[in-house]
Amino acid sequence: ETGVTQTPRHLVMGMTNKKSLKCEQHLGHNAMYWYKQSAKKPLELMFVYNFKEQTENNSVPSRFSPECPNSSHLFLHLHTLQPEDSALYLCASSQDGTSEGKTQYFGPGTRLLVL
Amino acid sequence: QKEVEQDPGPLSVPEGAIVSLNCTYSNSAFQYFMWYRQYSRKGPELLMYTYSSGNKEDGRFTAQVDKSSKYISLFIRDSQPSDSATYLCAMSSASGGSYIPTFGRGTSLIVHP
Repeated sequence: ETGVTQTPRHLVMGMTNKKSLKCEQHLGHNAMYWYKQSAKKPLELMFVYNFKEQTENNSVPSRFSPECPNSSHLFLHLHTLQPEDSALYLCASSQDGTSEGKTQYFGPGTRLLVL
Repeated sequence: QKEVEQDPGPLSVPEGAIVSLNCTYSNSAFQYFMWYRQYSRKGPELLMYTYSSGNKEDGRFTAQVDKSSKYISLFIRDSQPSDSATYLCAMSSASGGSYIPTFGRGTSLIVHP
């Protein structure tokens, strides 16, 4: 286990549903990330939070809405998704401050299917 | 041109073979180089971390960075079926204070008994 947990592990939703993905890290890190992983494509960075402040939004559509209430928890709220949003959504965390500390630790991911 | 190029494979080798996985990149500002291993239905896990050029060895794994050629490699000696996974390279720089890595597509490795 990497110390980063994600729930749910699998999610099937219709295009009109609203759902949320949850990530929790037990590593004492200060930075958290959302990535999208699609087949045969590189990891796509979606959002970055540093000390609970959003520092990156990588041109992500507004149907994805992140929330970071504290340094240990990260949510991704989903609404009116499209079938092409089906993918593995990965959460990661890293300790801010040192170059080596920027190494990211990933959760197991949420496999999302949008029908 | 993509910032990081990685052949997706699959690469199929017999047990005991030496495996060579590679990535090329275009951004000369990259200084930190990482290899992640991702098993099916799991998230990526950090395997090796290297700063700048040179070699780093950890058990059966050796990471090699050649900054002059913008080329990094991961060697796996005495490969085992349990090494079957997707291997992702990642790299980052310190420019602008952002260390967020850029990932390759990943190479699928199959080690058959």
